[in-house]
Amino acid sequence: EDQVTQSPEALRLQEGESSSLNCSYTVSGLRGLFWYRQDPGKGPEFLFTLYSAGEEKEKERLKATLTKKESFLHITAPKPEDSATYLCAVQAERDDKIIFGKGTRLHILP
Amino acid sequence: NAGVTQTPKFRVLKTGQSMTLLCAQDMNHEYMYWYRQDPGMGLRLIHYSVGEGTTAKGEVPDGYNVSRLKKQNFLLGLESAAPSQTSVYFCASSRQYLLAGKNIQYFGAGTRLSVL
Repeated sequence: EDQVTQSPEALRLQEGESSSLNCSYTVSGLRGLFWYRQDPGKGPEFLFTLYSAGEEKEKERLKATLTKKESFLHITAPKPEDSATYLCAVQAERDDKIIFGKGTRLHILP
Repeated sequence: NAGVTQTPKFRVLKTGQSMTLLCAQDMNHEYMYWYRQDPGMGLRLIHYSVGEGTTAKGEVPDGYNVSRLKKQNFLLGLESAAPSQTSVYFCASSRQYLLAGKNIQYFGAGTRLSVL
């Protein structure tokens, strides 16, 4: 069964304090791994897609990396506006289903 | 520049009532999805469609039906609503993987449904 597990469930950081969010997955044939950001009361917003182990993508203070079993979302010198829930999802080659993890709620304190 | 539009935004139902949630996308996407999001459970896939006239079951399909008669629309139906179906429902669409290479999902703003 395809599964996505995110950790930690919640994370509080001081402004400027760098950290990483983890997404571990099991899927039979990975088509792609996705990171989304979700603000309260809104739909998820796309951040990154990673396709193969070793791949990295960057956007402003965020950097996503991928191995054969997990992905990390690194946040460097975060600001309060980075506070959100970050969602990880995987798509299987077998049936094109996209399965999400439960997310990590990130709170950046000023 | 609408993207993915969900209607209605809010709805309150009584147990046993039926309703249809509408999702419309204007990006000519092949793939469309319905998710529900509950506290502590994350986004769970209900049904999805890889093209007009096709549908497939996701993780939690029981109690729901879907139809994709037109490429731009994906309907989610609740035939006999139950309190366990109280949730926030999100629709998403994406291009076909082989065509786009990126397969980014675009989400609507959600429908908040309460079943009493």
